Amino acid sequence: AQKVTQAQTEISVVEKEDVTLDCVYETRDTTYYLFWYKQPPSGELVFLIRRNSFDEQNEISGRYSWNFQKSTSSFNFTITASQVVDSAVYFCALKGSGGSNYKLTFGKGTLLTVNP
Amino acid sequence: ETGVTQTPRHLVMGMTNKKSLKCEQHLGHNAMYWYKQSAKKPLELMFVYSLEERVENNSVPSRFSPECPNSSHLFLHLHTLQPEDSALYLCASSQDRSGAIHEQYFGPGTRLTVT
Repeated sequence: AQKVTQAQTEISVVEKEDVTLDCVYETRDTTYYLFWYKQPPSGELVFLIRRNSFDEQNEISGRYSWNFQKSTSSFNFTITASQVVDSAVYFCALKGSGGSNYKLTFGKGTLLTVNP
Repeated sequence: ETGVTQTPRHLVMGMTNKKSLKCEQHLGHNAMYWYKQSAKKPLELMFVYSLEERVENNSVPSRFSPECPNSSHLFLHLHTLQPEDSALYLCASSQDRSGAIHEQYFGPGTRLTVT
């Protein structure tokens, strides 16, 4: 069985602060894929990043960075110098490579509020 | 239109009504999905279609009936719903059914309220 845990239900920061959203996953697959999605108040889930289990390189995209650590089964997401437009619910998701390899397992999400 | 579109964006229906949700993807993808998002719950996968064939039905009640006439369109037909069916219904698509290296792209959702 696959599981994604986002322990932080809500986070509130002041603009320009750095913030890290935690994601811990469980899977028995040796090959798997991890994702982060952003859901602003409009409702649409916006794809942010995909990471393959065999690629542990961290990634940076502008103010966003991701830290993938297989040893601790974590895939954390950091926003540097947060902005009000970053306010949204962020979901971490996992896809295995077994029989149901089209199925995304989502965490419950972390609501990030960035205050001006 | 680009990406994944859904209509209507908001829907209020009575328990005896029949309505349909529509999803269209403009990405040339082969797989389409329906998800349900309720307050305080993780996203729930309802149905998966690959090349117009249903490949997953996640124990969804029969009052929800999907239809996929072609790889670009997906419908969710609703009848005799219950108040607990009120939720955000999200449609998604991916390059192919496995999606292993192809992430899912989501539409804006339909906010459904059952009265």
